[in-house]
Amino acid sequence: QQPVQSPQAVILREGEDAVINCSSSKALYSVHWYRQKHGEAPVFLMILLKGGEQKGHEKISASFNEKKQQSSLYLTASQLSYSGTYFCGSMGGGADGLTFGKGTHLIIQP
Amino acid sequence: DAGVIQSPRHEVTEMGQEVTLRCKPISGHNSLFWYRQTMMRGLELLIYFNNNVPIDDSGMPEDRFSAKMPNASFSTLKIQPSEPRDSAVYFCASRTAGRNTEAFFGQGTRLTVV
Repeated sequence: QQPVQSPQAVILREGEDAVINCSSSKALYSVHWYRQKHGEAPVFLMILLKGGEQKGHEKISASFNEKKQQSSLYLTASQLSYSGTYFCGSMGGGADGLTFGKGTHLIIQP
Repeated sequence: DAGVIQSPRHEVTEMGQEVTLRCKPISGHNSLFWYRQTMMRGLELLIYFNNNVPIDDSGMPEDRFSAKMPNASFSTLKIQPSEPRDSAVYFCASRTAGRNTEAFFGQGTRLTVV
């Protein structure tokens, strides 16, 4: 089952903050965040693991609520380069594959 | 390493023809994923392999789709026969096993079926 992302789209002015949410109906082992620029491949941003471990981009922060099966990505003081589509990916335990939500389109205006 | 390599980058074919997409994962990676991306459905997981073995193909839309991984450095996704609704960007991604390992994506194959 695909994770569910919200909002579907966000338009910000440069310097403003944004939060992108991700939730799953199944138990999560890890949450992965990726960003995709138009015409390019998705690029890794961050992994959050059950138990609190994180790995990822220095300038991006995220949270993972294991009990609620939810994660949020926090983009602060947004820059023009942050524009793109953000995908939340989930993996359950065992041999689960990496399944993505439908994405959140982020547009940063000068 | 050159990253995940997909070929061709673009493919235009006529309805009913067989299409084969190719992927070379990063050396040392033992998990490989095939995704299809469309505006309507987003990034769909079609199938994934661990150590060259297909683990879950429940995302493969129809029997017209098949995937193989004959060795650790090569995988194919075949559509036979192709239909216009198969038009999409197909991505291959690979990763190593482990708790905190990310997936690396290839540049994708843009498939157009006319």
